[in-house]
Amino acid sequence: QVQLQESGPGLVKPSETLSLTCTVSGGSISSYYWSWIRQPAGKGLEWIGRIYSSGSTNYNPSLKSRVTMSVDTSKNQCSLKLSSVTAADTAVYYCARQFGPFDYWGQGTLVTVSS
Amino acid sequence: EIVMTQSPATLSVSPGERATLSCRASQSVSSNLAWYQQKPGQAPRLLIYGASTRATGIPARFSGSGSGTEFTLTISSLQSEDFAVYYCQHYNNWPPTFGQGTKVEIK
Repeated sequence: QVQLQESGPGLVKPSETLSLTCTVSGGSISSYYWSWIRQPAGKGLEWIGRIYSSGSTNYNPSLKSRVTMSVDTSKNQCSLKLSSVTAADTAVYYCARQFGPFDYWGQGTLVTVSS
Repeated sequence: EIVMTQSPATLSVSPGERATLSCRASQSVSSNLAWYQQKPGQAPRLLIYGASTRATGIPARFSGSGSGTEFTLTISSLQSEDFAVYYCQHYNNWPPTFGQGTKVEIK
């Protein structure tokens, strides 16, 4: 059974960079797309972007200027960096495997942007 | 980007009854439509993809239909564990977008 686990700081200061890692277990990160999705408290889901195991990326145009994703196949991990964060970036951040829809999700990690 | 609109926002249903949830896309997404269930404090769970194919382990009481711009998720006989928020999502082009959700609550 594929499992995903997000990790990273739960508190980030405004204007700084949010950094999260998704560790995949129970399966290989290779040959799949891995997406990041976020959800502000009490609100809906927003797709941030995705990365293939080869390193190719697609980002949401609304966030593209601030997003960087990377993959480390030797560690079975992918990562998200979101720069110049504001309070509007406060959300639960999920990583998910994507084959079109998203079939496996991590439990999510809450990131709060506050000084 | 394609806007996904779900209705109603809240659906009050008694256990054992049928629930019908709607999702409309602002332009055609063919059959590239998925449904998810989300319970409080949990990640979304994939229920349906390809508009009508149940994901692995999803009970037969969940069914999806539609194509193009109009889609429906039907829960034939609501069980206690089905009370949750349901989201539709298209993956026809970039970026994939989600509806705002329908909350299915106990009547």
